[in-house]
Amino acid sequence: AQKITQTQPGMFVQEKEAVTLDCTYDTSDPSYGLFWYKQPSSGEMIFLIYQGSYDQQNATEGRYSLNFQKARKSANLVISASQLGDSAMYFCAMRAGETSGSRLTFGEGTQLTVNP
Amino acid sequence: DAGITQSPRHKVTETGTPVTLRCHQTENHRYMYWYRQDPGHGLRLIHYSYGVKDTDKGEVSDGYSVSRSKTEDFLLTLESATSSQTSVYFCAISAWGREQPQHFGDGTRLSIL
Repeated sequence: AQKITQTQPGMFVQEKEAVTLDCTYDTSDPSYGLFWYKQPSSGEMIFLIYQGSYDQQNATEGRYSLNFQKARKSANLVISASQLGDSAMYFCAMRAGETSGSRLTFGEGTQLTVNP
Repeated sequence: DAGITQSPRHKVTETGTPVTLRCHQTENHRYMYWYRQDPGHGLRLIHYSYGVKDTDKGEVSDGYSVSRSKTEDFLLTLESATSSQTSVYFCAISAWGREQPQHFGDGTRLSIL
């Protein structure tokens, strides 16, 4: 069974500073993918970034980067130069196994608040 | 944005009534999913589909059924709604490929009184 753990129910950061949101995962499959989503207060789910288990480099997408530590089974999201619009709920999710359309397992999320 | 439309966006109904939520996509993706989102639980998978007429259960499938008669439509039915099924329901779609993210609809807020 797969499991995602997000241990920070809430995080606060000052505008323009960087913030790290933690995600640890558990799976026995050697092949898996990790995803991060953002859910603003308006409710939609927005895909941010993907990291594959065989990727040699950490994924980056604009101000988002993933600190992927395979041995520790962690995939922390780093947001650089935080903006007020980054205030939202952030979910880490994992897809495990070779089945390409297989389900995602989600963590419970971290509520990020960016202070001016 | 991925072309995903959920309907209705909001619904209030009474315990014991049947409810059907619709998810419509214009992306021609093979995979479609239904999730529910409740405080403290993140998103939990109800059912998913890997092709027309091909569906499977997720982790919280009791009390729900699904149908997919066309690639573009995935229906979620609550046969006899209960108050515990009050939730926000999300549909998602995904292309083939392990690295492909799921893209979500805007959600349906369902209240069962």
